[in-house]
Amino acid sequence: AQSVTQPDIHITVSEGASLELRCNYSYGATPYLFWYVQSPGQGLQLLLKYFSGDTLVQGIKGFEAEFKRSQSSFNLRKPSVHWSDAAEYFCASANFGNEKLTFGTGTRLTIIP
Amino acid sequence: NAGVTQTPKFRVLKTGQSMTLLCAQDMNHEYMYWYRQDPGMGLRLIHYSVGEGTTAKGEVPDGYNVSRLKKQNFLLGLESAAPSQTSVYFCASSYSISPRGETEAFFGQGTRLTVV
Repeated sequence: AQSVTQPDIHITVSEGASLELRCNYSYGATPYLFWYVQSPGQGLQLLLKYFSGDTLVQGIKGFEAEFKRSQSSFNLRKPSVHWSDAAEYFCASANFGNEKLTFGTGTRLTIIP
Repeated sequence: NAGVTQTPKFRVLKTGQSMTLLCAQDMNHEYMYWYRQDPGMGLRLIHYSVGEGTTAKGEVPDGYNVSRLKKQNFLLGLESAAPSQTSVYFCASSYSISPRGETEAFFGQGTRLTVV
């Protein structure tokens, strides 16, 4: 069964600093990978997704993620965070023939001035 | 184009009461899902449907039932609510993954359910 691990429960970053949120997946074949963001009291919004091809994926709001097969990782990055980036971030995976999204437990991001 | 709409947005139930959560999507998606979100546990799949008239169990199906009588609607039922079912419930929908492997799940705004 596929699984997704987000090892950081909570991260605090200063505004303007760089950000990296970690995500590891567990599945034999190449999974389809996603990052979602959830603002307080809201639903989930897709930031970016990886299916194949270029391993560096650009998303909305200045986010990017890199798929590294050797490390089974799909870490989310942003070069300079803004206060509005404070939210909870979820990594998810799926694969062809098993389209159910499997989510990680989420990472809560706090931005300090 | 409303996307995915969940009703109600909030509900308080007494233990043993029943209720139905409605999810409606206007994107003609084949797949629909019900998740529950609990602190520290992320989103866990309750039930899902790959098309009209079909349903399947997810990771945490006990205590819930679902129906997909129409392609655009996916209902989640709690026959006898328990305090352990206090949670935020999210509905989502998507196309099936194409041969190119592309899909995206769209989420509703959530239903906050409290069982006392």
